[in-house]
Parts: sequence; C-alpha cells; structure tokens
Amino acid sequence: DVKVTQSSRYLVKRTGEKVFLECVQDMDHENMFWYRQDPGLGLRLIYFSYDVKMKEKGDIPEGYSVSREKKERFSLILESASTNQTSMYLCASSFTWGYTQYFGPGTRLTVL
Amino acid sequence: AQTVTQSQPEMSVQEAETVTLSCTYDTSESDYYLFWYKQPPSRQMILVIRQEAYKQQNATENRFSVNFQKAAKSFSLKISDSQLGDAAMYFCAYSSPAQKLVFGQGTRLTINP
Repeated sequence: DVKVTQSSRYLVKRTGEKVFLECVQDMDHENMFWYRQDPGLGLRLIYFSYDVKMKEKGDIPEGYSVSREKKERFSLILESASTNQTSMYLCASSFTWGYTQYFGPGTRLTVL
Repeated sequence: AQTVTQSQPEMSVQEAETVTLSCTYDTSESDYYLFWYKQPPSRQMILVIRQEAYKQQNATENRFSVNFQKAAKSFSLKISDSQLGDAAMYFCAYSSPAQKLVFGQGTRLTINP
C-alpha cells in the first residue's frame, strides 16, 4: 500500500513564525503536491513538484515556498505565518500525471 | 482554465438506498481523466473511482459507479446500497495529461440509519 505521511496532525503557531510542514511518501512517486483545504472552497493547489529540486507554482503560492531535496520528501514552508493561513494542509503524491493521487492525513494549522 | 462544479453542497440518503452525486466540468481538451475522491470525517482522502475520457464504458467499483457523459461534460457518482461508512465529503476532480488536478467544492453526504 502507498503510504503518505505528514509530520504533524495538528499545529499551532504564532503570527510571524516560520512554519515547516513535511510530507514523506514511500512509493517512489515522481509527483508530489501541497494543497490547502478550506470549507466551501474544496482543495486548492499551492505548489507541486515533478522531480527532485523541481517545483511549480499552483493556484495560491503567495506566502508559501517548498523544498524537495529528496524524491520521497516534499516540504511546505510558511516564511512568516499569518492568520489567513489557518487551514487544513494536505500533501499528495502520484506516480505520474493522470494517475491516482494518494493523500496524507493532513495537518490542521492554526495561526494565532 | 478548467473548472469543476459540484452543485450539491450537501446530500442525504437512507441507509440501503441509492444516491447520485453530480459533477460538471469545463474543458476544451479531448484527453483527460476524472476522479471521485472520498474524505471521511477526520480521515484520509482516498480514491473512489477513476475514469479515462477516451473510454466510453462507465467505470465501476463494487457499489460505486459513474455516469460519464462526455458531450455534456458531466461525471456523476452513483452509490448503491448506501452504508453508514459511506458518510463523507466527496470531491470530483479533473486532470488532463501533464496538468494538475482540479477539484470541485465537495458534497457532504450523510447516511440516515
């Protein structure tokens, strides 16, 4: 079974803090994704990566950055957390385009 | 840009009955993929069913089936013999080759015992 894990299920941070969310997949997938999930808005893509050290902006990249130094690990970074970044963050991976995306359990981030 | 619309924010159904969730999408591509994902309360998002646009036959997975109408750009999910464990948020999603996945807003399905 494909396994996608995220470093925390719940996280509480203060405004202005630097926040790291980590995601690890164990199936040698090429593609990895970070989404933000808000009620009524579905899932919105923040960033994705199709190879090590490669990244592409999604629909809402402002205020976020990413890092993929190893194939299995994809990190989302909030350089200076703000209250409007309070949300559920989902990581996903897939073998390649058009294939099923496998999701992690999510990190519920609260920024105070 | 491609868009996916789920017009039913909430649905409910009696246990053992059948329910259909609606999804429409907008695209100018001819080759693409469609998905239904399920997100149970406080649990991981998982794939329910996947359809390749070039395949005319509707995909099925046990009690889950789709009605794929390519010309109408419609991709509805039918759940037969609904069970309590089917209660979840259901997301319809679209992807064309080498493109990102685009999600609908989701439909919250409640199963009444």
